[in-house]
Amino acid sequence: GAVVSQHPSWVICKSGTSVKIECRSLDFQATTMFWYRQFPKQSLMLMATSNEGSKATYEQGVEKDKFLINHASLTLSTLTVTSAHPEDSSFYICSVRSWGGVTNTGELFFGEGSRLTVL
Amino acid sequence: GNSVTQMEGPVTLSEEAFLTINCTYTATGYPSLFWYVQYPGEGLQLLLKATKADDKGSNKGFEATYRKETTSFHLEKGSVQVSDSAVYFCALRGLYNQGGKLIFGQGTELSVKP
Repeated sequence: GAVVSQHPSWVICKSGTSVKIECRSLDFQATTMFWYRQFPKQSLMLMATSNEGSKATYEQGVEKDKFLINHASLTLSTLTVTSAHPEDSSFYICSVRSWGGVTNTGELFFGEGSRLTVL
Repeated sequence: GNSVTQMEGPVTLSEEAFLTINCTYTATGYPSLFWYVQYPGEGLQLLLKATKADDKGSNKGFEATYRKETTSFHLEKGSVQVSDSAVYFCALRGLYNQGGKLIFGQGTELSVKP
């Protein structure tokens, strides 16, 4: 069964509204989750690393005020796209790293993705 | 910085044909290398991995060998099936794991016809 669950799987919203996407780790507690963005026919681009109980670490070029990440518990991270615009339309995917000991070599598990369409 | 380059798709093959999807990388040191598969409507799944030079990862009939000398990790399968139709992503995780972050190639769509 699924290890990581995302919700919603797809969402359509009007320009200017905010959208929240949830990522849940179902099988284990995750101190670290990753948020990716995927454009059609393109690769996954890492947006940020979500750390339980602390601030997320954003990749260069990603607006932290635009993409709010909250990792309030060991099984849930949320991505909120604030004041969404059509250019934010994309496929957002979260991943969770299983515990890999001190070397942090645990496998990454991916959610099914959430397709956001901003009108 | 680290990067991954895959051959462009889509790749269209007949059932039982031989598959090669090329992947080359740029990284300092010795990254870990991965192939992920994304079936239609699903999330990414780890297909296989290799963590050091000359390692061969294999799963479900797919294979890839970590070639340091050519900085490559090409994916191969001797006889593809219709059920192999999916998008395949090559990825690397850098030296010292860099927090577990994966760098992905652009993905290669495979379509297998009966």
